Amino acid sequence: DAGVIQSPRHEVTEMGQEVTLRCKPISGHNSLFWYRQTMMRGLELLIYFNNNVPIDDSGMPEDRFSAKMPNASFSTLKIQPSEPRDSAVYFCASSSTGTRAEAFFGQGTRLTVV
Amino acid sequence: GDSVTQMEGPVTLSEEAFLTINCTYTATGYPSLFWYVQYPGEGLQLLLKATKADDKGSNKGFEATYRKETTSFHLEKGSVQVSDSAVYFCALLDSGGYQKVTFGTGTKLQVIP
Repeated sequence: DAGVIQSPRHEVTEMGQEVTLRCKPISGHNSLFWYRQTMMRGLELLIYFNNNVPIDDSGMPEDRFSAKMPNASFSTLKIQPSEPRDSAVYFCASSSTGTRAEAFFGQGTRLTVV
Repeated sequence: GDSVTQMEGPVTLSEEAFLTINCTYTATGYPSLFWYVQYPGEGLQLLLKATKADDKGSNKGFEATYRKETTSFHLEKGSVQVSDSAVYFCALLDSGGYQKVTFGTGTKLQVIP
């Protein structure tokens, strides 16, 4: 398996534009997580899904952020409209079930909003 | 809810020094515990894990023992190298139905020659 795949790796956009980040989890994993990492706030859990259903979105900073998981192999995180303070690295991770479960991370998307 | 507390960083050590990064957790049930490492400019990689009490996870000279009685999972290495400079995250995965992963705030380690 190629691991968790995120795209794009880098995104530079202007304030007010819509940004869509994409994630392909590892096949067979049934939990998916979106994290945001900044110097100021560290690693923050934004939302996580289990079996494609959003379980906890309390970490989503505001209504400008939305996430979907239409099927087991794809998820998106959308920011509309984007603001400079959204600049961060966004990570997607997936995990399996059972006692040997562990979370695997993608390489992240570095978002810069200017 | 679940939580993970790590020692504050940054931690600066000389090469070949002994490393300890403390981690304690709060969880219901019997979580699995992990240490992840993040090298500059990269994503998080699993360093080691332990799935039940008294298990010892080990990898690349790093070790951590799952201590249920003290709810701890401290990371240790006997002799650090410059290449170990990174941010280390302690994490737990709950044993409930949703497999939620909870991370600590991370501890930055800098090893100087």
